[in-house]
Amino acid sequence: DAGVIQSPRHEVTEMGQEVTLRCKPISGHNSLFWYRQTMMRGLELLIYFNNNVPIDDSGMPEDRFSAKMPNASFSTLKIQPSEPRDSAVYFCASSRDNGNSPLHFGNGTRLTVT
Amino acid sequence: ILNVEQSPQSLHVQEGDSTNFTCSFPSSNFYALHWYRWETAKSPEALFVMTLNGDEKKKGRISATLNTKEGYSYLYIKGSQPEDSATYLCAFKVFRSGNTGKLIFGQGTTLQVKP
Repeated sequence: DAGVIQSPRHEVTEMGQEVTLRCKPISGHNSLFWYRQTMMRGLELLIYFNNNVPIDDSGMPEDRFSAKMPNASFSTLKIQPSEPRDSAVYFCASSRDNGNSPLHFGNGTRLTVT
Repeated sequence: ILNVEQSPQSLHVQEGDSTNFTCSFPSSNFYALHWYRWETAKSPEALFVMTLNGDEKKKGRISATLNTKEGYSYLYIKGSQPEDSATYLCAFKVFRSGNTGKLIFGQGTTLQVKP
């Protein structure tokens, strides 16, 4: 199994640009989580999906952030427009059953907004 | 607001020392408690998922206990080795109907083991 695959690994963009982060969960996992890691807040849950349906997006910081999961094998997290304070590492994770089983994390996307 | 607290924030020990850290979480609406190990430049990796009060789990020199009534879990490392150096995260899953509770992470305890 290839594990959770995130792309890109690194993204550097200018303020105001649109950024799209991608995630492919482990096949057979029905839950997908987007987390953001910062020094101040640690791992912060942004949104999670169960069977492709968003369950809780209360962690999404602003309307500039949106996430989709059009099918069981793909999810995107979009920031439009991006701002310097969005700079962080964004992790995607999947699990078999919404966190009753361990989460498997991708390698993360390091986003830098200048 | 769900709060998951870990202590200490960081810990420096000598090789061979045994150590333990604490994870505190809300004692109501408990569903599950996870422990993860996070090495620098890598992704978090799961150690344990515990669901029952009194649960004890073990993996090699690492073990964990769970007290859901008072809202805490301990992670123990026996005979620490330099390769145990990492950040240890706990995560609390809140109970919500339809298995829709979210998984909230603590800030972690960073362990440094000196040879």
